[in-house]
Amino acid sequence: QSVLTQPPSLSAAPGQKVSISCSGGSSNIGNNYVSWYQHLPGTAPKLLIYENTKRPSGIPDRFSGSKSGTTATLGITGLQTGDEADYYCGTWDTSLSRVFGGGTKLTVL
Amino acid sequence: EVQLVESGGGLVQPGGSLKLSCAASGFTVSSNYMNWVRQAPGKGLEWVSVIYSDGSTYYAGSVQGRFTISRDNSKNTLFLQMNSLRPEDTAVYYCGRDRDGYNRFDYWGKGTLVTVSS
Repeated sequence: QSVLTQPPSLSAAPGQKVSISCSGGSSNIGNNYVSWYQHLPGTAPKLLIYENTKRPSGIPDRFSGSKSGTTATLGITGLQTGDEADYYCGTWDTSLSRVFGGGTKLTVL
Repeated sequence: EVQLVESGGGLVQPGGSLKLSCAASGFTVSSNYMNWVRQAPGKGLEWVSVIYSDGSTYYAGSVQGRFTISRDNSKNTLFLQMNSLRPEDTAVYYCGRDRDGYNRFDYWGKGTLVTVSS
């Protein structure tokens, strides 16, 4: 059971938009930056978003991040079949050091 | 080009030991926050341990006292010594660089599988 709560799964059609939430508390999201990762099991996770809203070079602007209070959100627009993956939020927690959300499995129908 | 390559995984009996390695290229391990993160079968990512540039080390409660993170600066390699292994330690273990120390993992390896079973 992670201290960061994500929906276990989401699905959407190609071309649609999806939002993945990550809920925490004041010891983590509320007072720290949030990152988002895309992961296909057996491969290296990929950093999509850091410092709540910033994209590393090479990450398309279809991916966006936001944060309000103790909840962070990853948005993906113009869904593609290649976006089908597991998505994780991550942040710092004052008691636990680095923490990840439980992950959201995104299915592109 | 930055690359992280883990090795050393395998099958080990409960109570046994294993040492994982993560060879880095393209940057200096000793100048960065280097971490181990694991994913148990069917589960999410779980942070395991970090070593800072000043040599400080920190561990998740689930591995504290059993695992030891270290590095060899001459080989630019990160290690994870795992002792008193339990079935619940079964996972793919990834090494990753945390760019700023606050969960900004910009480089990851592809992982190495550790299976703890009799």
